[in-house]
Amino acid sequence: QQQVKQSPQSLIVQKGGISIINCAYENTAFDYFPWYQQFPGKGPALLIAIRPDVSEKKEGRFTISFNKSAKQFSLHIMDSQPGDSATYFCAATSNYQLIWGAGTKLIIKP
Amino acid sequence: DAGVIQSPRHEVTEMGQEVTLRCKPISGHDYLFWYRQTMMRGLELLIYFNNNVPIDDSGMPEDRFSAKMPNASFSTLKIQPSEPRDSAVYFCASRKREGGNEQFFGPGTRLTVL
Repeated sequence: QQQVKQSPQSLIVQKGGISIINCAYENTAFDYFPWYQQFPGKGPALLIAIRPDVSEKKEGRFTISFNKSAKQFSLHIMDSQPGDSATYFCAATSNYQLIWGAGTKLIIKP
Repeated sequence: DAGVIQSPRHEVTEMGQEVTLRCKPISGHDYLFWYRQTMMRGLELLIYFNNNVPIDDSGMPEDRFSAKMPNASFSTLKIQPSEPRDSAVYFCASRKREGGNEQFFGPGTRLTVL
C-alpha cells in the first residue's frame, strides 16, 4: 500500500511533442505529490508538486494532472525540448518520508 | 546558500575496506535523508534523521551500514566492511520541518567497491 507505481520506464519523444509520464498510488493518506527531475551526475531536484485538493497544476511547460478517485497522477511536458532529457521521478507522502516511483528516463530527439 | 554538500564526490575502494561518506545539510533544515541509487533498485531511502536523531533506519541494508548525525550541520554514512554490491550513488538530502515538503539533494557520492 506504500508503493508508487510509475510508467513508462523509458520514453522517447520528438522535439516539440508532448511527454506524458504516469504514476499510481494506493495509500489514500498521501497528501503531497511531487515530481523530481534528475540530470546525469546530479541529484534529483523538485520540478513541480500538487496536493489532492486540486486536479491540475501548471508551471510553464510542465503540468501535473491529478485524479483523486482513480488514485493516479501524471506529468505532462508540453513542447518538449532536448534540454528536458532527464530521469523523472514521481513521489508521494503523508509525512516527512517520500515514497518514490521507479523513475522514467526521458529522451527528447532533436 | 551553498546547498547540500557531500564528500567525497567519487570513492573507489577495495572489498573489505571501510568507507565513510559525508554530508553537510542546508543550514536551518531539520530533516536529513540518506538515499542509495542503483540501476536495478532505483532510489532507496536508507535512513533519515529529525533534529539529529535517527527516526527510521529500516532501509539500512544490513549491519555493515551505520549512520550518525553528531550535530545539525554534519552527518556520516559508514560502510564497514564494504562489498562490491555496495557500489552505487549515495545521496544526502535535507528539508525544513515547516514551510514546504521539498527535499533538497546533494550532488551524490559515486562509490565503487572493487
